[in-house]
Amino acid sequence: GESVGLHLPTLSVQEGDNSIINCAYSNSASDYFIWYKQESGKGPQFIIDIRSNMDKRQGQRVTVLLNKTVKHLSLQIAATQPGDSAVYFCAENRAGGYQKVTFGTGTKLQVIP
Amino acid sequence: DVKVTQSSRYLVKRTGEKVFLECVQDMDHENMFWYRQDPGLGLRLIYFSYDVKMKEKGDIPEGYSVSREKKERFSLILESASTNQTSMCLCASGSSGQRRDTQYFGPGTRLTVL
Repeated sequence: GESVGLHLPTLSVQEGDNSIINCAYSNSASDYFIWYKQESGKGPQFIIDIRSNMDKRQGQRVTVLLNKTVKHLSLQIAATQPGDSAVYFCAENRAGGYQKVTFGTGTKLQVIP
Repeated sequence: DVKVTQSSRYLVKRTGEKVFLECVQDMDHENMFWYRQDPGLGLRLIYFSYDVKMKEKGDIPEGYSVSREKKERFSLILESASTNQTSMCLCASGSSGQRRDTQYFGPGTRLTVL
């Protein structure tokens, strides 16, 4: 929604450049990580996921990197387009099942045409 | 494609009113969730349900209750709305299967309590 963008860290990127969005997670026992994209006025949408036994996973124009040593996750978007403008959330699985994930506070990506 | 729908996109209520938000999913998912989203705080889990008639408290259940009488439907209830419940309310559903931790979200209900 419109107010989601308030108080969020913002990344401004020129159209066509690559974007890197970072996320630090807190639970060293987390074994599954997800990136979501939330466009204005919509609910979050799944982009890509990665399990803790992997360091890297690639999708279409997106790559997720996982560094378990420093508990850091990043989302790389290649050739950023205006349609990529949104808030991006990382989420980590909490131990205990039943899909109890913890969401980060989000980063707003602004693409400059 | 998974579809999660919510009964209202925008809702304005007065303090003390009873509020009823409904969420429906069409993918036969076992798990359903209600979150609230506030600026700077991200998504916080209110309640979730892993089966019909089953519910568990999330991180911020105070002032809310839920109902799951049918698998596809999960309702959020505010018995007596208060101004601090003004927020974006998001419903999600997910499977216990292979992609067990992926949740599919509805469009959200922007709730304003005056």
